[in-house]
Amino acid sequence: DTGVSQNPRHKITKRGQNVTFRCDPISEHNRLYWYRQTLGQGPEFLTYFQNEAQLEKSRLLSDRFSAERPKGSFSTLEIQRTEQGDSAMYLCASSPVGGVVTEAFFGQGTRLTVV
Amino acid sequence: AQSVTQPDIHITVSEGASLELRCNYSYGATPYLFWYVQSPGQGLQLLLKYFSGDTLVQGIKGFEAEFKRSQSSFNLRKPSVHWSDAAEYFCAVGGRNAGNMLTFGGGTRLMVKP
Repeated sequence: DTGVSQNPRHKITKRGQNVTFRCDPISEHNRLYWYRQTLGQGPEFLTYFQNEAQLEKSRLLSDRFSAERPKGSFSTLEIQRTEQGDSAMYLCASSPVGGVVTEAFFGQGTRLTVV
Repeated sequence: AQSVTQPDIHITVSEGASLELRCNYSYGATPYLFWYVQSPGQGLQLLLKYFSGDTLVQGIKGFEAEFKRSQSSFNLRKPSVHWSDAAEYFCAVGGRNAGNMLTFGGGTRLMVKP
């Protein structure tokens, strides 16, 4: 069990470019979450998957954001036409089968800087 | 809608002193409560959780927290702080009425003086 893995750890991009982040959850965890954390704030929920189904999406997840989990294992979060306000830490978490739904184990995050 | 308030943005304590970090929550049903710790540039590590039962819960690294329903609080405590405890601490609430999301407080940054 290597924990939740996120790649890349850091990403610097120019405004208007597209970026994609990857999350590999703890094996056999069927629930996967994305959160966003801006500097000095707590994480904010973005979206939730159970297996390959995206079951919840926050209003924070604008049309420029899309998340997928095609085979119920790893997940990707894509941001199109990035804006400076997208600069944040993007955190992925997973939780185990049969566990309390909201008990989540977090990865180390991907820090996005939009210049 | 649920919410979490951590009234103290920064706290400084001396090494070896006791610590209490405050957390107040708003939630319409029985809450699930969590404390996470985050070191600079890192993800969040779960310290402890409360779902039901005994209102005093023990966690890792010598931390404990007490759920007080009447005060809507879930304060984190440690009897003797170590320099390695310096980090940011987040309280979070979830539950069956919250869907599958956690709502986090704004965090408390703990600094430890030698």
